[in-house]
Amino acid sequence: AQTVTQSQPEMSVQEAETVTLSCTYDTSESNYYLFWYKQPPSRQMILVIRQEAYKQQNATENRFSVNFQKAAKSFSLKISDSQLGDTAMYFCAFMKRATGNQFYFGTGTSLTVIP
Amino acid sequence: DTAVSQTPKYLVTQMGNDKSIKCEQNLGHDTMYWYKQDSKKFLKIMFSYNNKELIINETVPNRFSPKSPDKAHLNLHINSLELGDSAVYFCASSQVGVAGGGKTQYFGPGTRLTVL
Repeated sequence: AQTVTQSQPEMSVQEAETVTLSCTYDTSESNYYLFWYKQPPSRQMILVIRQEAYKQQNATENRFSVNFQKAAKSFSLKISDSQLGDTAMYFCAFMKRATGNQFYFGTGTSLTVIP
Repeated sequence: DTAVSQTPKYLVTQMGNDKSIKCEQNLGHDTMYWYKQDSKKFLKIMFSYNNKELIINETVPNRFSPKSPDKAHLNLHINSLELGDSAVYFCASSQVGVAGGGKTQYFGPGTRLTVL
């Protein structure tokens, strides 16, 4: 079974600063995908960024980037120039490349951006 | 335009009742999902349908029954509701296609179910 661990239940960061959210996972699969989703107070689940395991290059989306370390099974999310709108719950998710596209979610990190 | 929609957004009901949550996606995706988010925010998949065929059926009580009348709809019916069913239920969809996995899932706004 796949497990996803987010060891930081809560974090805070000053506006305009940089913060890194950690995520580790355990799998015996070689082909898989990793995602970060954001859930603001509105409850909507919003895709932040995704990474294919076969790609060595770290994914980047504007102020969001990942540090993907396949050997260490680590997938951290870096948010640069934090904004108040980044305040949300952040979930790391693992998906193996197989029938069903089942997501395995971590327990989430609650991020608060302080003005 | 709403990509994945769910109705209702809030549902308050008594123990023992039967209720349904509806989900529709207008993205043309072939796969739809139901997730449950508990009070601790933990998200766990319940069911997945690909082209109206059930492909993921996690260990959930058989009081929960998904129904997919077509690719764009996946409804969740819950019989004999219990206190422990109180949670937020999310519908999601993705385009899996013949190539298989790795496709991003798009989530609906969630339905907060409260069982009294």
